[in-house]
Formats: sequence, structure tokens, C-alpha cells
Amino acid sequence: AQKITQTQPGMFVQEKEAVTLDCTYDTSDPSYGLFWYKQPSSGEMIFLIYQGSYDQQNATEGRYSLNFQKARKSANLVISASQLGDSAMYFCAMSLTDSWGKFQFGAGTQVVVTP
Amino acid sequence: ETGVTQSPTHLIKTRGQQVTLRCSSQSGHNTVSWYQQALGQGPQFIFQYYREEENGRGNFPPRFSGLQFPNYSSELNVNALELDDSALYLCASSTRRGEGETQYFGPGTRLLVL
Repeated sequence: AQKITQTQPGMFVQEKEAVTLDCTYDTSDPSYGLFWYKQPSSGEMIFLIYQGSYDQQNATEGRYSLNFQKARKSANLVISASQLGDSAMYFCAMSLTDSWGKFQFGAGTQVVVTP
Repeated sequence: ETGVTQSPTHLIKTRGQQVTLRCSSQSGHNTVSWYQQALGQGPQFIFQYYREEENGRGNFPPRFSGLQFPNYSSELNVNALELDDSALYLCASSTRRGEGETQYFGPGTRLLVL
């Protein structure tokens, strides 16, 4: 069975600084996808970025980039130039290709951006 | 906003009662997945529906059941409510294109069981 681990329960970051959120995963399946979602206090999960297991390049979406190290089974999210609106819970999730859409989520990291 | 809607937004029930939660998927999406998110935890996969059929289930008892309708909207039913069923229930919709396909989540229904 696959497993997602997020070891940072919470962190503070100053506005305009970059922050890295850690995510490691465990699966024996060679084909999978990795996702990051943001969850503000309102509760809705907002999709940020996706990385496929066979993608050669790290994914980027605006201020979000994913540092994918397949051999280490890590998929860390980097948020550049943090903004106050980035304060939220951040979840890493994985889906196996043969059971696509059945996400396994990590426990999340609470990010607080300070002025 | 994703276009995925859920109702009601909040609900209070007592132990032993039954509850029905509703989800309307984003236009063009034919797959709906349901997740339970207890306070302070990540979402847990309950089940997925595709073309009105259950297409995979997580580690939840049979008192959690669902339906998907021809317009791809979906219901989650929970019978014999327990205190531990108190959680945020999220639905997510997607297409069935497979690898690379993102799920888009609704705002959730907050259920409190007393």
C-alpha cells in the first residue's frame, strides 16, 4: 500500500521569502502521480501542481515548483515570494496510475506567512 | 472556483441517525470521489463513482454508501451515525482520462454528530 509522509506539521515564513514543504512517498508501483493541494480555513482543496512519475522535468506553475527526486521518493513543494494569502494547510497526495483518482493524502503542513 | 458544489454546507446530527450529502460535479466531469477529513488530518478516500457504478472503495464500513446519477451528480449516505463520523466531507470530480488528470474539489460539508 502506498503512503505519503509530511514531516512538518507547521511553519512560519516571512512575506516575500521562499518556503519548501517536504513530502516523501512510498510505493512499489512504478507509475503514479503526485499532487499538491492548498486548503485555506474555508475548507476547499485547491489544486496547485502535478508531477507524473515518468516526467523528466520538475513541474512548475507560477510561484509553485515541485522538486521531484524519484530515487529518494520525495516531491517537495517550493513556494517562491510568499504572500499573506499563501497562509493555509498544504497537502501532498499520490494516485497510482492503475487506480487513478483514488488519492492518498499526507497529514498536511500548516503554513503561516507573516508580514 | 472549481464548479464543484456540495450541499448542505453544515449539518448537525445525533448518533444513530442517517445523513445524505450531495455533490454536483464540474461540467464535463463523469467521475466523483468522496473523502472524509477528520479535524487535523488529511482527507481519507471513501469511494469513487464512474458512470453510476462504484469504482473503488477505501477502508470504510458498508454504512457508508453512495449513488451517482445520470447527470453525474452524486450522493453520500451514512447510516447509523457515530461520533467519529464528525468530519469535513469533500467530493471531487474529474474525467476518466487517467494519468495526469486532476481532481477538483468542492467546498465540503461539515458534519457534526452529537
